[in-house]
Amino acid sequence: TQLLEQSPQFLSIQEGENLTVYCNSSSVFSSLQWYRQEPGEGPVLLVTVVTGGEVKKLKRLTFQFGDARKDSSLHITAAQPGDTGLYLCAGARGTGNQFYFGTGTSLTVIP
Amino acid sequence: DSGVTQTPKHLITATGQRVTLRCSPRSGDLSVYWYQQSLDQGLQFLIQYYNGEERAKGNILERFSAQQFPDLHSELNLSSLELGDSALYFCASSVGQGWTYEQYFGPGTRLTVT
Repeated sequence: TQLLEQSPQFLSIQEGENLTVYCNSSSVFSSLQWYRQEPGEGPVLLVTVVTGGEVKKLKRLTFQFGDARKDSSLHITAAQPGDTGLYLCAGARGTGNQFYFGTGTSLTVIP
Repeated sequence: DSGVTQTPKHLITATGQRVTLRCSPRSGDLSVYWYQQSLDQGLQFLIQYYNGEERAKGNILERFSAQQFPDLHSELNLSSLELGDSALYFCASSVGQGWTYEQYFGPGTRLTVT
């Protein structure tokens, strides 16, 4: 079983719509990261959140870390075809070097 | 281009064989991470090295081993291969260790075991 569960697993929406992806766990993390991965490439880091309740914005993407540091969400406003990809959350515990990746959300934005 | 290189890009081999995957980190990065990505297991952390020393171990099978050389490149050795080892193998590098340092992923090696 995965330590971090993402939902939904698949998402197909029209350009211009809003969406939210969730990343949940029963474990506490020191930090949580979000990555986007495109076909044939490795994941690329989008953001790192550290403090419980923290909200970070990256253009049309809004990331939130849960108050208890067990969950996170990614909200995309006015999705564009360029947002298409696999979104992965990843958590780290303590100062450890091991990253636990979520199950992934495959997003398709239809023009 | 992340600056991390992995070779080969594709590898097809038979069950029972042994293969070596190679990773060259970004210039100046001391830390190398290895991951396995499969459809059923997602992205799984295997092992991490920092400046030549093993620092963290994840879900790495005993049939798998890795090392980081003095020039900081790393190799992942997979032996007695099974069909279930077919996956994408990623290497990532960072300047330091832990989550405070951004990991840069390579393009991956796609391993197919037949």
